[in-house]
Amino acid sequence: NAGVTQTPKFQVLKTGQSMTLQCAQDMNHEYMSWYRQDPGMGLRLIHYSVGAGITDQGEVPNGYNVSRSTTEDFPLRLLSAAPSQTSVYFCASSMDRFPYEQYFGPGTRLTVT
Amino acid sequence: DAKTTQPPSMDCAEGRAANLPCNHSTISGNEYVYWYRQIHSQGPQYIIHGLKNNETNEMASLIITEDRKSSTLILPHATLRDTAVYYCIVRVDNAGNMLTFGGGTRLMVKP
Repeated sequence: NAGVTQTPKFQVLKTGQSMTLQCAQDMNHEYMSWYRQDPGMGLRLIHYSVGAGITDQGEVPNGYNVSRSTTEDFPLRLLSAAPSQTSVYFCASSMDRFPYEQYFGPGTRLTVT
Repeated sequence: DAKTTQPPSMDCAEGRAANLPCNHSTISGNEYVYWYRQIHSQGPQYIIHGLKNNETNEMASLIITEDRKSSTLILPHATLRDTAVYYCIVRVDNAGNMLTFGGGTRLMVKP
């Protein structure tokens, strides 16, 4: 199993640009979530999904969209990038039986100039 | 969800046991205690979780006090690779708003 994979690993955007961060898992996990981590801070939940076709907002959802058309994939879309979205983004997945035993991807480091 | 309190930093000598405390005095009866760690620049890694009984796995042991108001994560023989930020999280074990990570404890294992 590859586990949770994220692409790209690094990205630089200009203010106002849009992009999609990719996340995929091959463990057939029902739950997937996106977090952001700002320098020296803990993780904050952006959006999460409890299954294909079902998504919900986390703590800091503004400026981000998600969709879950398949069990495997959970892309995060930045609609119009802002410098405040400069952060490291982590995707995670877990089984419905143990929703808090989460497996995290390696992260995407995003800089918005 | 119950709030947790952890010391911001701790040191431990290599080869010795690292004991990381967590206070969760407002924990309710159906909330689990979860521990994660984050090694520099990597995604968080699940370590262990428990409800009321002590738990042990290949990575660590979790000791929960009888009143469940505090817990201790024990790394029995700390190595330099255990240097990381350790997060204590309390959650009800159902689908909900996923995990909330606080500040954690920065553990420095020294040779």
